[in-house]
Amino acid sequence: AQSVTQLDSHVSVSEGTPVLLRCNYSSSYSPSLFWYVQHPNKGLQLLLKYTSAATLVKGINGFEAEFKKSETSFHLTKPSAHMSDAAEYFCAFIIQGAQKLVFGQGTRLTINP
Amino acid sequence: DTAVSQTPKYLVTQMGNDKSIKCEQNLGHDTMYWYKQDSKKFLKIMFSYNNKELIINETVPNRFSPKSPDKAHLNLHINSLELGDSAVYFCASSHQGLQAFFGQGTRLTVV
Repeated sequence: AQSVTQLDSHVSVSEGTPVLLRCNYSSSYSPSLFWYVQHPNKGLQLLLKYTSAATLVKGINGFEAEFKKSETSFHLTKPSAHMSDAAEYFCAFIIQGAQKLVFGQGTRLTINP
Repeated sequence: DTAVSQTPKYLVTQMGNDKSIKCEQNLGHDTMYWYKQDSKKFLKIMFSYNNKELIINETVPNRFSPKSPDKAHLNLHINSLELGDSAVYFCASSHQGLQAFFGQGTRLTVV
């Protein structure tokens, strides 16, 4: 079955330290993968997307993600966390031919001062 | 000039009532969606319309009826509301099923 799994439901880091949010996918083909961010009481905003071009994808707000086919992973990273990064993060992919965006369970990122 | 807008933002209603949520996109996209986000933040697709035609219906109770009067609008009507319908409902749109743009969400509370 095609799916994405976010390995951590909650990640807590200190301001200024690196952020790593993990996402693994399961698919028989090379998927289109996305990271979305949801700030409290807000809608979802696209951070970045992978659509089989460069494997290292740069997004907004200093985030980037690397597509690793050998590890079936698409982890989201940021070198230095900022207080404004505190939010819920969702990994997602599109089921080929179904025009359907499927989300992981979400990872809540907390930033400690 | 909001790309995907949905109204209302908040909706509080009693069990058994019928309510509608409206969604409009000005991006010229051909596909629109409704997603439900539960209390654990899990996002699940409910419906998808492509050029006003229903293409995805994810085993949603038939109390939920989407209506797409044109490509830019996808409304969600809910009959006989139940406590379990309380959630945040997101509208989204995309071009040819690619990157989706989301509205700000409608927080529905059934009391």
